[in-house]
Amino acid sequence: QKEVEQNSGPLSVPEGAIASLNCTYSDRGSQSFFWYRQYSGKSPELIMFIYSNGDKEDGRFTAQLNKASQYVSLLIRDSQPSDSATYLCAVKRTTGFQKLVFGTGTRLLVSP
Amino acid sequence: DTGVSQDPRHKITKRGQNVTFRCDPISEHNRLYWYRQTLGQGPEFLTYFQNEAQLEKSRLLSDRFSAERPKGSFSTLEIQRTEQGDSAMYLCASSLATGVNFYEQYFGPGTRLTVT
Repeated sequence: QKEVEQNSGPLSVPEGAIASLNCTYSDRGSQSFFWYRQYSGKSPELIMFIYSNGDKEDGRFTAQLNKASQYVSLLIRDSQPSDSATYLCAVKRTTGFQKLVFGTGTRLLVSP
Repeated sequence: DTGVSQDPRHKITKRGQNVTFRCDPISEHNRLYWYRQTLGQGPEFLTYFQNEAQLEKSRLLSDRFSAERPKGSFSTLEIQRTEQGDSAMYLCASSLATGVNFYEQYFGPGTRLTVT
């Protein structure tokens, strides 16, 4: 079992729709969760982070965390073609380990 | 631009040659990380520094890889006797180690290495 799992996609949504991206993780001690957006050929860009159970909203983005189910998701409202990218879920494990463990990413395609 | 910078952005080398990459973190960040990313995969952790101390190393970091951060500012990653399997994007990230936002890592543009 991989430490961080994501559906590779592509996830196709029409412009203006809500895109829902999901991620599961295996280490119950994980404490911090991050979503990065990566355009083709570019480096990852941090777009959201969440540390506590529940929802966290920032503009069109909402991150959701359920530690009991070991599940984190990213919702993108009013999706735009410019949102088309690969979305990487990353997890920081317990205190003392600073590395991020990444999933393989979900490719999102937003069609006009 | 006050973000993380990396140099060079692209490097093509022949198998067996040594290469060195440089990373300049965000100026107030005292933690610096190196990751490697291959096509279709997420970044994989290599190593990290807090100030000048190298505190964590991945098993991916073989004896041919060495990283330094001599004055706690910029860092270098050297790969000796490169192999074709070293071809990847090498990413540097930085973060603070204190304060509310000390968890977030911000990436530089990466150095794309091609070993022929």
